[in-house]
Amino acid sequence: GAVVSQHPSRVICKSGTSVKIECRSLDFQATTMFWYRQFPKQSLMLMATSNEGSKATYEQGVEKDKFLINHASLTLSTLTVTSAHPEDSSFYICSARDFQGTAWGYGYTFGSGTRLTVV
Amino acid sequence: GEDVEQSLFLSVREGDSSVINCTYTDSSSTYLYWYKQEPGAGLQLLTYIFSNMDMKQDQRLTVLLNKKDKHLSLRIADTQTGDSAIYFCAGLSGNEKLTFGTGTRLTIIP
Repeated sequence: GAVVSQHPSRVICKSGTSVKIECRSLDFQATTMFWYRQFPKQSLMLMATSNEGSKATYEQGVEKDKFLINHASLTLSTLTVTSAHPEDSSFYICSARDFQGTAWGYGYTFGSGTRLTVV
Repeated sequence: GEDVEQSLFLSVREGDSSVINCTYTDSSSTYLYWYKQEPGAGLQLLTYIFSNMDMKQDQRLTVLLNKKDKHLSLRIADTQTGDSAIYFCAGLSGNEKLTFGTGTRLTIIP
């Protein structure tokens, strides 16, 4: 089935620095990828939709300048948390939709997530 | 936007059936999904159902959809310790965005 690889799985950074998270579709092309944020014991909140070759679409309340998204190829999207602060600490998950047409292709495949801790 | 509600917790004895419920407000959802999340991990797609179906069975999993009541359920037969996780229902609407439920933490009692 479709696989989405997300790296790193865990990162600790100092306040004020930037962190880049990568999301790769390994065996399919993803023109659209999604970035979610999950707080402890809560559901997933969509942050932005990443579109290959164009600007990302951000959800209301998400700071575009803080959460930079780049989707330069059909298999890679990156999320950069700029000037990170402790309140940015969270679990970030990406997903991509596989349009291969198989039964599972109607679903979204998720990365394994990145635990970001800002100290 | 759509609201998707789930019970937060469910405890089931090993070997019994687990039933996780989900209610949603947006009747235009074309696909409805069930995802499993283990601690510190991403989401694993368990199963899905088209909005024009009432029931779907896949091995130990049975999904029931009541469109009139906007109610979705996931039944796990013969629940095992490995089924301990958080289960999210999610709906897909025309804008290709998934809306997730609040998640149900399933605990298995030995």
